[in-house]
Amino acid sequence: KNQVEQSPQSLIILEGKNCTLQCNYTVSPFSNLRWYKQDTGRGPVSLTIMTFSENTKSNGRYTATLDADTKQSSLHITASQLSDSASYICVVSARKDSSYKLIFGSGTRLLVRP
Amino acid sequence: DTGVSQDPRHKITKRGQNVTFRCDPISEHNRLYWYRQTLGQGPEFLTYFQNEAQLEKSRLLSDRFSAERPKGSFSTLEIQRTEQGDSAMYLCASSLALGAGETQYFGPGTRLLVL
Repeated sequence: KNQVEQSPQSLIILEGKNCTLQCNYTVSPFSNLRWYKQDTGRGPVSLTIMTFSENTKSNGRYTATLDADTKQSSLHITASQLSDSASYICVVSARKDSSYKLIFGSGTRLLVRP
Repeated sequence: DTGVSQDPRHKITKRGQNVTFRCDPISEHNRLYWYRQTLGQGPEFLTYFQNEAQLEKSRLLSDRFSAERPKGSFSTLEIQRTEQGDSAMYLCASSLALGAGETQYFGPGTRLLVL
């Protein structure tokens, strides 16, 4: 069964600190992995996308890593800001016939405090 | 703002009533998706269209749910005889079919509360 598990479920950090969010997946056949940021009451917005051959992808203060062998990904946030408070959702794309099916994790809810 | 709009943003209805939501995708996008998201969970796939054709429906989409995309542009999602369990955020996303690199752009969602 295709699954995406994220940890921790929630996280509170102080402004300026770094944090790392984890994503483990059992999805086959794997196509790519995305991290989305979802502000409260808004739709998700794509942060990074990585294919099988990519190990690291950065987008400003966000750095995603992918280990396709262990089927793990992480999202590292550097020098956190109050605006980073949001849910971060790991999404894995599986090839299905001629289309791609997205499997969503439940997200990690991050709260950055001043 | 991703360019995908949804209307209304919020809807409160009584159990048993019908509701209809609208999604306007990014104009050149040929794929349109509907998802449902409950509190503390990631979005769950409901259905998707390529142009005007509805290509896949999830088992979550009961007979009370129907979606249309009549001209391959905007889409509507109707829920008949709403139940309290239908309370959720309904998200629409659109994309340009590009294979593995396809990125879905999400709208702001319609939050439904069934009393």
